[in-house]
Parts: sequence; C-alpha cells; structure tokens
Amino acid sequence: DTEVTQTPKHLVMGMTNKKSLKCEQHMGHRAMYWYKQKAKKPPELMFVYSYEKLSINESVPSRFSPECPNSSLLNLHLHALQPEDSALYLCASSPGRESNEQFFGPGTRLTVL
Amino acid sequence: AQSVTQLGSHLSVSEGALVLLRCNYSSSVPPYLFWYVQYPNQGLQLLLKYTTGATLVKGINGFEAEFKKSETSFHLTKPSAHMSDAAEYFCAVSDGDFGNEKLTFGTGTRLTIIP
Repeated sequence: DTEVTQTPKHLVMGMTNKKSLKCEQHMGHRAMYWYKQKAKKPPELMFVYSYEKLSINESVPSRFSPECPNSSLLNLHLHALQPEDSALYLCASSPGRESNEQFFGPGTRLTVL
Repeated sequence: AQSVTQLGSHLSVSEGALVLLRCNYSSSVPPYLFWYVQYPNQGLQLLLKYTTGATLVKGINGFEAEFKKSETSFHLTKPSAHMSDAAEYFCAVSDGDFGNEKLTFGTGTRLTIIP
C-alpha cells in the first residue's frame, strides 16, 4: 500500500458543529502532516507529528485540534469553525529519518456555513 | 527562513512545445528542493526532488529540473507538452530534520496546454 487516504472527501458543517477529519497511511511512515489550502493558493503547514508526538504547531487556532492515535493514523478535530476556515485540508506522510519526501493524500474539501 | 519564488502564476504553451516553469530559492544552507503537481480537486503528487549529488534531476511524466547554485534556481522543464500536463505546479523547499521537516511552497504556476 503506497498511498495516503483521507476521509471524508467532502464535509459541510455549521459553525456550532463538531466534526473530525481522518488520515491513514500504511507505508510505515513515522511523520505525518496537516496542511490547509485555500482556493488558488499553495498549501500551508498546520501541524507536524513526528514519531507520534506533536513537533510543530504553526500557531493554528485552538478550534483545530490534531490527534495521532498511532503511527498510521492522524485525525484533525474541528469545533466552532468559521466560514473562513473553508478550504481543502491535505494530509501527508514521510518516512522519517531516512527521507524527507512527503506523500500527500487527496484531501478533504471542507465548507463551513 | 527558506523560501521559493515562482515567476508567473499562469503559463500557456502549445501541445508539443517546450514547458519551462521557473523557481528560485532563498536558503542559507544547501536546500532540499521539490516540484509537485496538483490536478483539479486532487492532492499533490511529487514530480521530482533535489537533495544532494547530481544537479540534473529526472522525474516522472518526462519532467526534469536542474539545480543551479550560482543562480539559486531549480527550473522545471519538459521537452514536449502533452494535454495531460495541464495542472498547477508548485516548487517547494524543505527545512528541518528528516521526519520533522517543514515544506514551504511557492505560489504556484497554472499550466494550460493549447491544442
């Protein structure tokens, strides 16, 4: 298995809802990432988990809460989002100490009403 | 901080013509450089990467890039464009230790292929 999967593909939520995005990889990678991509813009790094520990938080608002239950799974919990949080959320993984190549999932298209 | 600059947010080329996408980097240390492609409503796919060693890097789908330290450039080329090459292309630079790296992307170039 050489891919990163993300669910759901699309998500529509209200500002008072709580939802979660899920990312999974079975390549034995030890680093996982969340990126946010607004329309016609490049991806922007949000969080990095390295060996299941949060190592980088790019000053992301607390309404976004990441979780890494194990080395294959990465979640992004969403609560009280704003319409400006609507974007494509991309997950990526990389092998760890032997390579810095990041493999991206297809993304979750999030719309906040 | 490391950064990359992509000249031209849009590029149109005729099918069969040369594709040249420009990327310049800013880094105080030898950089790790990448080119990614993004098709509409999809994630990013790695085309090629430069780490160390050979400065001419060959990637997938007939693309290649040359690392030129003297020009701080990492331009992407393809000799003959195909309709399937129409997509958004991002140059990126990596910072940090392996397994804990930060990718910083350029603003992207949208490539359109004219039949």
